[in-house]
Amino acid sequence: GENVEQHPSTLSVQEGDSAVIKCTYSDSASNYFPWYKQELGKRPQLIIDIRSNVGEKKDQRIAVTLNKTAKHFSLHITETQPEDSAVYFCAASRNSGNTPLVFGKGTRLSVIA
Amino acid sequence: EAQVTQNPRYLITVTGKKLTVTCSQNMNHEYMSWYRQDPGLGLRQIYYSMNVEVTDKGDVPEGYKVSRKEKRNFPLILESPSPNQTSLYFCASSLYGFGGTGELFFGEGSRLTVL
Repeated sequence: GENVEQHPSTLSVQEGDSAVIKCTYSDSASNYFPWYKQELGKRPQLIIDIRSNVGEKKDQRIAVTLNKTAKHFSLHITETQPEDSAVYFCAASRNSGNTPLVFGKGTRLSVIA
Repeated sequence: EAQVTQNPRYLITVTGKKLTVTCSQNMNHEYMSWYRQDPGLGLRQIYYSMNVEVTDKGDVPEGYKVSRKEKRNFPLILESPSPNQTSLYFCASSLYGFGGTGELFFGEGSRLTVL
C-alpha cells in the first residue's frame, strides 16, 4: 500500500519568511495530493490539493509543487504570518478501487513574530 | 449548515467498558472514515466505508468495530477499550465513493481516555 513520508516534523520560521514542507510517496499510481492544516485544538481542514496532471498550483500565499518522476510533492508558504502556525499534513491516494487517503505524520510549523 | 458531528467530544472510561462514538454527516456523502491522532504518529485510519453496508479496515483496526447501516451515520465501537486506545478520534466524510480524491470534512474530534 501507499506510504507517505513528511519532513521536517517541526519547523520554526520568522514572520515574513517562507516555509517549505516536503513529502514523498511510494505508490507510483497515486494521483491526488492534498494538504490539510490543523490549528491547535481544531479539526484538520483542506487548504490546497493537486492532481497528477499538473506540476504546480497556487492559492495566494500557498503553493504546492509535484514531481511525479521523483514521487515527491511540497507545500510552500510565502510571507508567513502568525496565523500560519499549525500542524500541516500531506496525503496521497489514487482514484481507483478501495484506496483511501494516506497521511504523512505531520509538520508543526511555528511562525515567530 | 454542512457538518460532521461527533459525540461525545470528551469521554473518560475504564478498561473493558464498551463504548460507542457516534458520527453523523448531513452532506449526503458516500465515503466516511475514522482516524485516530496520536502525538508524533499523525492521522492513522481505523476503518472506512465507501457506502452503506460497505466497510473496510484501515491501518489500525484492532480493537474497533464499525457499521454503516445508513448513509449519514458511521459509529465507532470499542467493545472492550484498553488504555492504548486513549487518543483523539476524528470522523471524516467525503462526497466521492473512492474517498481519496475529494475533500475530507472532519468532525470536531472526540478525546477518549481509557483508565
